[in-house]
Amino acid sequence: DGGITQSPKYLFRKEGQNVTLSCEQNLNHDAMYWYRQDPGQGLRLIYYSQIVNDFQKGDIAEGYSVSREKKESFPLTVTSAQKNPTAFYLCASSPGTSGYQETQYFGPGTRLLVL
Amino acid sequence: GQQLNQSPQSMFIQEGEDVSMNCTSSSIFNTWLWYKQDPGEGPVLLIALYKAGELTSNGRLTAQFGITRKDSFLNISASIPSDVGIYFCAGHPNTGTASKLTFGTGTRLQVTL
Repeated sequence: DGGITQSPKYLFRKEGQNVTLSCEQNLNHDAMYWYRQDPGQGLRLIYYSQIVNDFQKGDIAEGYSVSREKKESFPLTVTSAQKNPTAFYLCASSPGTSGYQETQYFGPGTRLLVL
Repeated sequence: GQQLNQSPQSMFIQEGEDVSMNCTSSSIFNTWLWYKQDPGEGPVLLIALYKAGELTSNGRLTAQFGITRKDSFLNISASIPSDVGIYFCAGHPNTGTASKLTFGTGTRLQVTL
């Protein structure tokens, strides 16, 4: 089945620790995205990538980093510089970045908790 | 970043009732998307709209792309318990640049038996 997978489902981080969230898609989509969702709020864009080896900051990129070495993979690292990392993180992908190709499909999410 | 105004924020309805929710923006969009999110899960795409005035159905769900390009509506007919969840709208200007989807703040739907 084609889709987007995120792992782990739950992740715990200690103070001062970097953690990496995995996102993999087998939809052959060019573009991938990372969003953060806080309780009762909408989705805020962290980073996005339109093509392999290229990515751009979204609205709340501070304290996060990404890489796009392969088309199917877009891992997100939450660094120690992110002072309030507890949130639900969603990965998405789209066929492209214009017109109907911008339609995004989401993974199941990773909930990050700080110990 | 910009967010869309989505209303109502939450609603309680009885099973079997019809539901209406809408999304408005101060700027024009050329794509409107509606998603449903269950607790602890990722949003699932329900309906995609790509043309002003377009009316599209998906089972008991019907969505419309407003003529002004600044709003969209989602209707659910004969609601059932599994309709419970948060419904998000999203819009995209499709200006040809690296523009991004803008999401609404969600409508929380709860159904009473």
